[in-house]
Amino acid sequence: SAVISQKPSRDICQRGTSLTIQCQVDSQVTMMFWYRQQPGQSLTLIATANQGSEATYESGFVIDKFPISRPNLTFSTLTVSNMSPEDSSIYLCSVVPGFPTGELFFGEGSRLTVL
Amino acid sequence: AQTVTQSQPEMSVQEAETVTLSCTYDTSENNYYLFWYKQPPSRQMILVIRQEAYKQQNATENRFSVNFQKAAKSFSLKISDSQLGDTAMYFCAFTPYTGAQKLVFGQGTRLTINP
Repeated sequence: SAVISQKPSRDICQRGTSLTIQCQVDSQVTMMFWYRQQPGQSLTLIATANQGSEATYESGFVIDKFPISRPNLTFSTLTVSNMSPEDSSIYLCSVVPGFPTGELFFGEGSRLTVL
Repeated sequence: AQTVTQSQPEMSVQEAETVTLSCTYDTSENNYYLFWYKQPPSRQMILVIRQEAYKQQNATENRFSVNFQKAAKSFSLKISDSQLGDTAMYFCAFTPYTGAQKLVFGQGTRLTINP
């Protein structure tokens, strides 16, 4: 298993600003992912955070809007850039533990509201 | 592309009753994992149960069990003796054995357990 801490838990942001979300895991993990959950919706994968290289983005998500860093095997950040009200969502960090069992473990999520 | 469909947006039952949540999926893969995740109002995604496609036996975890029909691509979740704490959003999810272990989620079913 893995314990995942996300910061901030929630924030209210102004249109046009950027916010960085941090994800800290209590153990080294092979894979880290960032998901978005828009209000009342399911989870959509934004990107896979690759340690030591650029993130791999899903269709519809681009690096300029959602830059991701992963400097080591326990930490990643997701930045939501130039925010608009449409970016109001819960952003969730998830990981595959060192020995993959198929399941993902999730952080508690970061709820962003953009005014 | 893989897709996951949950056809019941909302369900409501009385405490102690049994409830079944439906999920169908579409994939050309032969080996994969299926999951049910629970998301209570606290937002934390919690794994309820998992099924590996090569296993014919249906998975069970205490009051939770699945009916996995591989040929029909169906994966329903049965909750027995439902409790108030079972109130949550339930997401069915799929990931293939190979590749990046990214999860594809269904739309979710909002389950309410009434006292």
